[in-house]
Amino acid sequence: QSALTQPASVSGSPGQSITISCTGTSSDVGGYNYVSWYQQHPGKAPKLMIYEVSNRPSGVPDRFSGSKSGNTASLTISGLQAEDEADYYCSSYTSSSTPQVFGGGTKLTVL
Amino acid sequence: QLQLQESGSGLVKPSQTLSLTCAVSGGSISSGGYSWSWIRQPPGKGLEWIGYIYHSGSTYYNPSLKSRVTISVDRSKNQFSLKLSSVTAADTAVYYCARAVVVVAAFDYWGQGTLVTVSS
Repeated sequence: QSALTQPASVSGSPGQSITISCTGTSSDVGGYNYVSWYQQHPGKAPKLMIYEVSNRPSGVPDRFSGSKSGNTASLTISGLQAEDEADYYCSSYTSSSTPQVFGGGTKLTVL
Repeated sequence: QLQLQESGSGLVKPSQTLSLTCAVSGGSISSGGYSWSWIRQPPGKGLEWIGYIYHSGSTYYNPSLKSRVTISVDRSKNQFSLKLSSVTAADTAVYYCARAVVVVAAFDYWGQGTLVTVSS
């Protein structure tokens, strides 16, 4: 069982917006602004999309945005494109016994 | 551009030790401000952080694997390594090496991953 909880799947049509949630506790998501999001296409390595809750690395489209409220972080993708279809993982620093935890992943389907 | 490349045995027998190396190019593994991690992903499942080593040589391991894991660094070769002992079929996974920026706790560079199968 993953430390952070994500929905197993979400879907949306091209051009629409979707949001993926990532729920943790006050020891991880709620306690620190060190939430990151990763995109993983089949057979590929994960790619950093968001760090420190809402910051985008250079080269990541501004269609991707992140936010946090309490113990839940969210990744929003606006103007969905076919290439956005992938698995998405959240991660957080944590003060528990392991300093880094991942969510279980969410499969995004672009209809 | 930083690049990470995993290498090692793709097939390990149960009870033996899994050994992987991550070669780093385009940057120094001794640079401050970064940690160097191993992360794995069982087939069809999510990501699991195994552990990391800081540029200083300090190591941190996932408690669930701590008794079996050793991560070390070879600065002369600009690479770091993973050893996982007493493997079982549950250790079958794609193993990734990755760099984390310490101050933001995010993995910004990843290797392509290497599949390790535990089977007799």
